[in-house]
Amino acid sequence: DAKTTQPTSMDCAEGRAANLPCNHSTISGNEYVYWYRQIHSQGPQYIIHGLKNNETNEMASLIITEDRKSSTLILPHATLRDTAVYYCIVRVAWEGSEKLVFGKGTKLTVNP
Amino acid sequence: DAGVTQSPTHLIKTRGQHVTLRCSPISGHKSVSWYQQVLGQGPQFIFQYYEKEERGRGNFPDRFSARQFPNYSSELNVNALLLGDSALYLCASRILNANYGYTFGSGTRLTVV
Repeated sequence: DAKTTQPTSMDCAEGRAANLPCNHSTISGNEYVYWYRQIHSQGPQYIIHGLKNNETNEMASLIITEDRKSSTLILPHATLRDTAVYYCIVRVAWEGSEKLVFGKGTKLTVNP
Repeated sequence: DAGVTQSPTHLIKTRGQHVTLRCSPISGHKSVSWYQQVLGQGPQFIFQYYEKEERGRGNFPDRFSARQFPNYSSELNVNALLLGDSALYLCASRILNANYGYTFGSGTRLTVV
């Protein structure tokens, strides 16, 4: 029941901005968009999340379209350590429970 | 502060055996969730527990069970192991009703032979 679609892989030059797109056209009005990344099969690391408005933190920016059908994660100055699998996720809530619905992720490779 | 801790980190079991995986959430986090990640795939939701009660269950057979203890730590049990149960099992915790993300542990790598 994946609710997100992402490119399988992307490349980015070190020092440049990395823009990772995600489609979530079936998202419901109360479902949040989360972004996590995973390096070498470690546990996923939280990056950022949002509902309707654009969000920014020390790691990244999240741009959500007005119709909420897609979003873009922006890493402003990619470094080699940002090489990872990036997951765009929808948090689904129902009857006192909730879960993160992961897609297949984007393998981002940052090149020197 | 300690993050989410999981034990053991690696485990090898034989088909038909059972296994118990353990998770300690971040202090103050009362919600614990379990996910299964098969190689090359994104994690899949197994269970959510909050205040020691099961709140949600994913599409997994009854061989999978879990519980949460008064200190909010949790165990995931899998009976009658199959080769297909080989995966990275992830535990995540968070404060419910707050605008925060989940924090994941490093996982337990289970190999069934």
